[in-house]
Amino acid sequence: DIQMTQSPSTLSASVGDRVTITCRASQNINDWLAWYQQKPGKAPKLLIYKASSLESGVPSRFSGSASGTDFTLTISSLQPDDFATYYCQHYNNYLGTFGPGTKVDIK
Amino acid sequence: EVQLLESGGGLVQPGGSLRLSCAASGFTFSTYAMSWVRQAPGKGLEWVSSITGSGGSTYYTDSVKGRFTVSRDNSKNTLYLQLNSPRAEDTAVYYCAKSRSGYTAVFDSWGQGSLVTVSS
Repeated sequence: DIQMTQSPSTLSASVGDRVTITCRASQNINDWLAWYQQKPGKAPKLLIYKASSLESGVPSRFSGSASGTDFTLTISSLQPDDFATYYCQHYNNYLGTFGPGTKVDIK
Repeated sequence: EVQLLESGGGLVQPGGSLRLSCAASGFTFSTYAMSWVRQAPGKGLEWVSSITGSGGSTYYTDSVKGRFTVSRDNSKNTLYLQLNSPRAEDTAVYYCAKSRSGYTAVFDSWGQGSLVTVSS
């Protein structure tokens, strides 16, 4: 089975910071990777799919990239609404595997 | 506007049974695969099960195979998850999720979640 890891597990940042979250797959997953944002007590929200495609309505400060089995979610300038937990997800046909999450909190 | 509304959660005894429902609106339900994703208290997200638009094929994570059953009624625009013989480790908020067009296990819309607590 493919395992997904994320780093860091927690990230402290300030408004305006550039933030980078990394997700690593245990084997090649092509670009079958999505990123979600979740706030406490709320359902997740899709941000990125196919590693770098921005979901409609998501601000352009969010971007995704891939290099081999390493994937990156970047927030170019952190906004107050962005403090949340971020999950990567490998998907393959009808199956999905989430990473453990990265919590972005206020520095 | 897509809306997904879960119901049916609550307290269930280990070894009992419970059925979750997810009422969908705002899209052509029968043309989209649907899924259940759960989140144990204070933990991360876990994909549980998916079903094709027609309902003809179903998929499960290993830990629920043989105990949970996903189904759908396209005439009622409703998704179901039958939990049989639940265990304490099945305690979680269960979300129903709609597949993004062209990506069956990418979820572009989610319900608000339904809490299932497995305890005696």
